Amino acid sequence: SQTIHQWPATLVQPVGSPLSLECTVEGTSNPNLYWYRQAAGRGLQLLFYSVGIGQISSEVPQNLSASRPQDRQFILSSKKLLLSDSGFYLCAWVAGAINVYNEQFFGPGTRLTVL
Amino acid sequence: AQKITQTQPGMFVQEKEAVTLDCTYDTSDQSYGLFWYKQPSSGEMIFLIYQGSYDEQNATEGRYSLNFQKARKSANLVISASQLGDSAMYFCAMVRGYQKVTFGTGTKLQVIP
Repeated sequence: SQTIHQWPATLVQPVGSPLSLECTVEGTSNPNLYWYRQAAGRGLQLLFYSVGIGQISSEVPQNLSASRPQDRQFILSSKKLLLSDSGFYLCAWVAGAINVYNEQFFGPGTRLTVL
Repeated sequence: AQKITQTQPGMFVQEKEAVTLDCTYDTSDQSYGLFWYKQPSSGEMIFLIYQGSYDEQNATEGRYSLNFQKARKSANLVISASQLGDSAMYFCAMVRGYQKVTFGTGTKLQVIP
């Protein structure tokens, strides 16, 4: 069966510090991968998605970046965190078929607080 | 641009009664999918139900059904026989090319004993 992992589960970082959040998927190959951010009490905002190794698409310009160094690994980074980067970050995967809309499976999330 | 609108920020329902959570969407695509997810206070996103734009029958999954009215661009979630464990945030979402999903702002459902 497929599983998706995210770490860390919670993170408190000072403004201006770097960030690295990791997401890995097991039990599937060539998934589409996604990073979402959820501000407190709000819906999910798609940040990045990737259809393959090294292929990253950004949905919202910001000081975050994403990388996909391996097929089942997706990393969210920042060189300098802002207060507005605080939120709940969710990674998700879906089977990569383009013309069939499949359920996205979400990881447990990382709760980031920037102070 | 695609947009999902959930006009009910909060809803209350008596245990064992049915409740409808509203969702309208805006897209110029002919092919799309609509989802409902549940998010308990723990934060995890739980898939509930899916409706394809070409599906003629309304989707059902146990106590969940999706009232799909394509001409009105609405995809309301109906929960029958509400349970205390149904208390959570509910998100309507639409998927388009490359499986990109747009989420609504959510409805907080509280089930009253």
